[in-house]
Amino acid sequence: SAVISQKPSRDICQRGTSLTIQCQVDSQVTMMFWYRQQPGQSLTLIATANQGSEATYESGFVIDKFPISRPNLTFSTLTVSNMSPEDSSIYLCSVRRGTSEGETQYFGPGTRLLVL
Amino acid sequence: SQQGEEDPQALSIQEGENATMNCSYKTSINNLQWYRQNSGRGLVHLILIRSNEREKHSGRLRVTLDTSKKSSSLLITASRAADTASYFCATVTNSGNTPLVFGKGTRLSVIA
Repeated sequence: SAVISQKPSRDICQRGTSLTIQCQVDSQVTMMFWYRQQPGQSLTLIATANQGSEATYESGFVIDKFPISRPNLTFSTLTVSNMSPEDSSIYLCSVRRGTSEGETQYFGPGTRLLVL
Repeated sequence: SQQGEEDPQALSIQEGENATMNCSYKTSINNLQWYRQNSGRGLVHLILIRSNEREKHSGRLRVTLDTSKKSSSLLITASRAADTASYFCATVTNSGNTPLVFGKGTRLSVIA
């Protein structure tokens, strides 16, 4: 398995401000992913963040709104910029690791964001 | 876009009964993974089944995969109140290091 921590675990923010979410993994991983889960919904991939290259964003997500850093193989940040109430979601960091079963993907505990 | 579709969307059973959740997907896959999520918290990885496997067990969990029908099922036997959660299937396609694509999930309620 993988031990993934996220900070903050939750926050309440005012519209127009920005929040940076940190993700720390217990060992080096190549691929890190950021997901969003809106209330009552499933998970939607925001971007894939590989160390040493620019993040790859999914359709509907742009770097100006969700800038990502990946300074090393155990850490990444996601910033939610110029927030609006529609950004209220759980944001989850995820990594993929090879196991005896196969390429298994693990998730952090999530950051619950409420934008007022 | 969503790859997997779980059904039912919601399931309510008595403690001790078995719970079966189904997942269908659209494209060829490398593997399929099942997750549990309690009350909006992080996802817990339950089991991974590869495209060349048909059935897998882990404790009270049994997962089947039918690639010809592009479907999978998760069976929880002898359910407990603690199994109350949302369950998601997610697939990895055959296209190299592609990310997981999630279904909409099944909300399971186990009543004591």
